[in-house]
Amino acid sequence: AQSVTQPDIHITVSEGASLELRCNYSYGATPYLFWYVQSPGQGLQLLLKYFSGDTLVQGIKGFEAEFKRSQSSFNLRKPSVHWSDAAEYFCAVGLSGGYQKVTFGTGTKLQVIP
Amino acid sequence: DGGITQSPKYLFRKEGQNVTLSCEQNLNHDAMYWYRQDPGQGLRLIYYSQIVNDFQKGDIAEGYSVSREKKESFPLTVTSAQKNPTAFYLCASSILSGDIQYFGAGTRLSVL
Repeated sequence: AQSVTQPDIHITVSEGASLELRCNYSYGATPYLFWYVQSPGQGLQLLLKYFSGDTLVQGIKGFEAEFKRSQSSFNLRKPSVHWSDAAEYFCAVGLSGGYQKVTFGTGTKLQVIP
Repeated sequence: DGGITQSPKYLFRKEGQNVTLSCEQNLNHDAMYWYRQDPGQGLRLIYYSQIVNDFQKGDIAEGYSVSREKKESFPLTVTSAQKNPTAFYLCASSILSGDIQYFGAGTRLSVL
């Protein structure tokens, strides 16, 4: 079964600083990979996705992520963080074909300080 | 606007009571999901459904039941057998299972 690991439970960055959130997955084939963001008390919103092709994917709100097959990673990055980026971020992995579910990581809570 | 509507936003359950959480989507998606979210545990899958009249247990189905009689509706019942129901419940849908999921705003369930 596929699994997703987000090693950082909580990250604090200064506004304007760069950000990298880590995500590692475990699965034999190339999965579908996602990053979602959740504001407090709300549902999740998709930031970006990787299905195939270019390993550097661009998302909404200035986020990007890079798929590295050799490291089984799909880290999320942003060059300059804004206070409004404070939220919880979830990495997720899905599989193509058939009756498949998506597995979510445990999330990384981002705090942005002025 | 297309989207997923969960109701109610807040729900309270008394001891021994069954409660039903509503989830409706007008995205014409085939697949629908229910997740439970507890602090520090991410999202855990309760049930999912790929088509009408078919659904599968997820990782934590005990104490929960679902139905999928219509494409747009996927209600979740939290039964009295679920001894620790206090959590944030999220419903989602996707065109196909394993694909991008669209989420509702959630229902927060508490025990009186």
